[in-house]
Amino acid sequence: DIEMTQSPSTLSASVGDRVTITCRASQSIRTRLAWYQQKPGKAPKLLMHLASTLESGVPSRFSGSGSGTEFTLTISSLQPDDFATYYCQQYNSYSATFGQGTKVEIK
Amino acid sequence: QLQVQESGPGLVKPSETLSLTCTVSGGSITTSTSYWGWIRQPPGKGLEWIGSIYYTGSKYYNPSLRSRATISVDTSKNQFSLKLSSVTAADTAVYFCARGQMSEIGSYYFDYWGQGALVTVSS
Repeated sequence: DIEMTQSPSTLSASVGDRVTITCRASQSIRTRLAWYQQKPGKAPKLLMHLASTLESGVPSRFSGSGSGTEFTLTISSLQPDDFATYYCQQYNSYSATFGQGTKVEIK
Repeated sequence: QLQVQESGPGLVKPSETLSLTCTVSGGSITTSTSYWGWIRQPPGKGLEWIGSIYYTGSKYYNPSLRSRATISVDTSKNQFSLKLSSVTAADTAVYFCARGQMSEIGSYYFDYWGQGALVTVSS
């Protein structure tokens, strides 16, 4: 099974900060990685797939990069609406695994 | 606009079987580029993929739940379902159904999610 490890688990930041979240896979998943944003009491929202392809309507301050086993999600300038929990998900072959999540909280 | 919606009992007794149904509207469950999945989230914890199904009936499960989970599809009703047997308190969670958008065969990410259904396991 492919394991996904996110870091950090919690991140304290201020509005306007540049924020980076890392996701590591236990084996190569090429670029088969998705990022989700989840707010309390809500379903996850897909932000991007194929590691860096932004979904329609997602602000351009969000970007993704990486391939193989190491990936990053970057928010270039944190906005009030961005305080949430972020999950990565690998979808390399017939299965799906989520990272444990990174909570972005107000500093 | 595609929508998916979970339904089923919110309370299940220990050792019994949890049953949930997901109804797909605004699109067909037989779309060739779609898988259909179940994901759960225990209170205060992260997301766990349970399994997914293709409209032809091909199924894929999380190895940790494979012995207890059964996913099925009813194309005539545009629905798919989850049964989880021998539940314990550890199965208490919000259960989401979602559409898996195919990237390539067997590879999919979840682009449409239901609002989630809280299922509590308690006597």
